[in-house]
Amino acid sequence: GAVVSQHPSRVICKSGTSVKIECRSLDFQATTMFWYRQFPKQSLMLMATSNEGSKATYEQGVEKDKFLINHASLTLSTLTVTSAHPEDSSFYICSARERGDEQFFGPGTRLTVL
Amino acid sequence: KQEVTQIPAALSVPEGENLVLNCSFTDSAIYNLQWFRQDPGKGLTSLLLIQSSQREQTSGRLNASLDKSSGRSTLYIAASQPGDSATYLCAVLNQAGTALIFGKGTTLSVSS
Repeated sequence: GAVVSQHPSRVICKSGTSVKIECRSLDFQATTMFWYRQFPKQSLMLMATSNEGSKATYEQGVEKDKFLINHASLTLSTLTVTSAHPEDSSFYICSARERGDEQFFGPGTRLTVL
Repeated sequence: KQEVTQIPAALSVPEGENLVLNCSFTDSAIYNLQWFRQDPGKGLTSLLLIQSSQREQTSGRLNASLDKSSGRSTLYIAASQPGDSATYLCAVLNQAGTALIFGKGTTLSVSS
């Protein structure tokens, strides 16, 4: 149980385009989902927290107009990187939490912006 | 602001050795602490979760301890195997927060 999937696992796009990443909880309802970003040899940094049906809460320094988060259902959250640039290239990981305090992580999405 | 530090950043050991990974955090007001494993280019696998009221958790060859007052946790791996090679991440959940705060990890290499 407690499986979280992400799609796509890897994406390469041209600078200026938008990329959407999906995060799904497969066997539980996620009241809260989190989006993290991880640069090479760095720790995971929280980008935003989203609760189903409400606006996401962004961490300081994360542009909400650039990283659009939608948590439309209890099993799906999406992160859209708008007008992507090479510096947005990173590993994006989502996690989901049901009602307890344990988070379950997705396998991550490797974004490369050319 | 909570900060999580992991030492060492990298560790290489021969197969069979017992080893200890260290994690420290600056704010002792935590709700729980979690150890994860991350393989290259992959997501996170949860290894052990210790609630703030607990002192340790065990799973197979892994044992994690928590000393909340001193802001420290250790992950003990017994009889290491090449398959244990990965990056091990420590993360804390603050009492006031909802998201995990991660250390940079310890990259472990176990040679056969």
